[in-house]
Amino acid sequence: QKEVEQNSGPLSVPEGAIASLNCTYSDRGSQSFFWYRQYSGKSPELIMSIYSNGDKEDGRFTAQLNKASQYVSLLIRDSQPSDSATYLCAVNRSASKIIFGSGTRLSIRP
Amino acid sequence: GAVVSQHPSWVICKSGTSVKIECRSLDFQATTMFWYRQFPKQSLMLMATSNEGSKATYEQGVEKDKFLINHASLTLSTLTVTSAHPEDSSFYICSASQGLGNEQFFGPGTRLTVL
Repeated sequence: QKEVEQNSGPLSVPEGAIASLNCTYSDRGSQSFFWYRQYSGKSPELIMSIYSNGDKEDGRFTAQLNKASQYVSLLIRDSQPSDSATYLCAVNRSASKIIFGSGTRLSIRP
Repeated sequence: GAVVSQHPSWVICKSGTSVKIECRSLDFQATTMFWYRQFPKQSLMLMATSNEGSKATYEQGVEKDKFLINHASLTLSTLTVTSAHPEDSSFYICSASQGLGNEQFFGPGTRLTVL
């Protein structure tokens, strides 16, 4: 079992709809959770951090964390073509290195 | 967010030569820096973790004598690819954090092509 699992996609979502990206992790001791966006040919960019159960909203992005289910998700409202990218989920325990998932490719179709 | 720079952004070299890539944290002190490699359409692969003033910790399968990492200050880490070969051609990305468990901020990456 991979430490951080994501569906590789591609996930195709119509413009204006909600894109839902999911991630599961294996280490129950994980404490910090991150979502990165990576455009093709570019390096990853941090878009959200979440540390406690529940929802965290930042503009069109909402991160959701459920530690009991070992599940973290990212919702993108009003999806735009510019949201088309690979989204990386990252997880870590305190004072240990972050483990990245392999990423989900998101495609927003006009 | 924090800013991390990398230099050069791209480099082409001949087989057998060495290439040095610099990674700088511009507006914060990075106690920990990471070096990744990414082949086209593949995931990030962590190569090594370095802490300022100490030896880097390499991931399994990464040759430490081939990929030399130096983290001499809290704002600068360097990766030297020694005796580069065409199979070393890849996208090399560094990241920096203020601690091992903190969020990582990535540099823009260096595209290495070895002829």
